[in-house]
Amino acid sequence: GNSVTQMEGPVTLSEEAFLTINCTYTATGYPSLFWYVQYPGEGLQLLLKATKADDKGSNKGFEATYRKETTSFHLEKGSVQVSDSAVYFCALSGTGGSYIPTFGRGTSLIVHP
Amino acid sequence: DAGVIQSPRHEVTEMGQEVTLRCKPISGHDYLFWYRQTMMRGLELLIYFNNNVPIDDSGMPEDRFSAKMPNASFSTLKIQPSEPRDSAVYFCASSVLGVGAEAFFGQGTRLTVV
Repeated sequence: GNSVTQMEGPVTLSEEAFLTINCTYTATGYPSLFWYVQYPGEGLQLLLKATKADDKGSNKGFEATYRKETTSFHLEKGSVQVSDSAVYFCALSGTGGSYIPTFGRGTSLIVHP
Repeated sequence: DAGVIQSPRHEVTEMGQEVTLRCKPISGHDYLFWYRQTMMRGLELLIYFNNNVPIDDSGMPEDRFSAKMPNASFSTLKIQPSEPRDSAVYFCASSVLGVGAEAFFGQGTRLTVV
């Protein structure tokens, strides 16, 4: 079946540091890939997505590239801010004719001033 | 659109009581999902509906849990009787699905069973 594996957190960084959160997936075919963000006390919201191999999704300074050869979709940001502190979820959908999303466990990011 | 609306935002109840969580999806979305989030298990899909019909309830933990969607604009998740281990944040989400389609989440209901 489909699965998404994320690096375990928490990831703790100082403001302006470089961020990478690793995500790999297992799926048949060519799924769409997503990163969602959950701020404290809120629901998940879409951060960025990519629908085919080599596509790069980007939003709010975050970016991720769909790598079919390594089945990965790592999230990166060049300079994090305290306001980026949140839980980040990698997800996929669109395999085997099903568009029901499959989520990873989530990675907590804590950014200190 | 106001987004996916869940109520209540917080619920504290005593063990053995019935709890009903409510969700209003985004108008026009034909898929509705109920998730449970805990530290131990992360985000779990409990059940989802397509055009108001339950499609897969294999994630519902026990018979104490039930979900209904009487019309396109309303769904409920009921726990009867509630137990302390049901304490979690419950999310409702809706979507139109399709290639690249995102799921839109409500703000969640934090349930505490004492």
